[in-house]
Amino acid sequence: AQSVSQHNHHVILSEAASLELGCNYSYGGTVNLFWYVQYPGQHLQLLLKYFSGDPLVKGIKGFEAEFIKSKFSFNLRKPSVQWSDTAEYFCAVNGGSYIPTFGRGTSLIVHP
Amino acid sequence: NAGVMQNPRHLVRRRGQEARLRCSPMKGHSHVYWYRQLPEEGLKFMVYLQKENIIDESGMPKERFSAEFPKEGPSILRIQQVVRGDSAAYFCASSLEGNSPLHFGNGTRLTVT
Repeated sequence: AQSVSQHNHHVILSEAASLELGCNYSYGGTVNLFWYVQYPGQHLQLLLKYFSGDPLVKGIKGFEAEFIKSKFSFNLRKPSVQWSDTAEYFCAVNGGSYIPTFGRGTSLIVHP
Repeated sequence: NAGVMQNPRHLVRRRGQEARLRCSPMKGHSHVYWYRQLPEEGLKFMVYLQKENIIDESGMPKERFSAEFPKEGPSILRIQQVVRGDSAAYFCASSLEGNSPLHFGNGTRLTVT
């Protein structure tokens, strides 16, 4: 069975600070990895995804994530956050069952 | 923007009543997923359907819950004889293929009084 762990449940930053949200998964085989974002009052939307190839993937709005296979990790990063990045962030893994498993989510608050 | 449409957005039911949640996937998508979100918890998988077929319902409670995705019309998540513990946000998502990213609806917030 696959599982996802997001270590930071609540993160509070000031604008221009750097962001790194942790995501670890457990699954022994090939995985597809995703980060989704849910802005206040909106639906979840895809931020970025990793299927294969370059382990450093770039998504929308300046976000990027690095897949480190040896660490079973897919951490999300952004060099300089903005107030508009305030949202809930979800990591998800799909280990071939076509059913993504989601982490608990990380609530990010960015103070202007 | 014909995204995933869920209705109603909010649903209030008394204990013992039935709740019906509807989901129309994105145009061209034949894979539908239902997830439930409880406070301070992540999205918990409930059921995965393709047109007229339930592919995986391992996350669905054995009793009172059912789902369908008919050939015509939206996918329906049905909860019979609701209890307070059913209060949650229910999200529907669709995808083009099995491994494609999911597109989510706005969710239905069910409150059981």
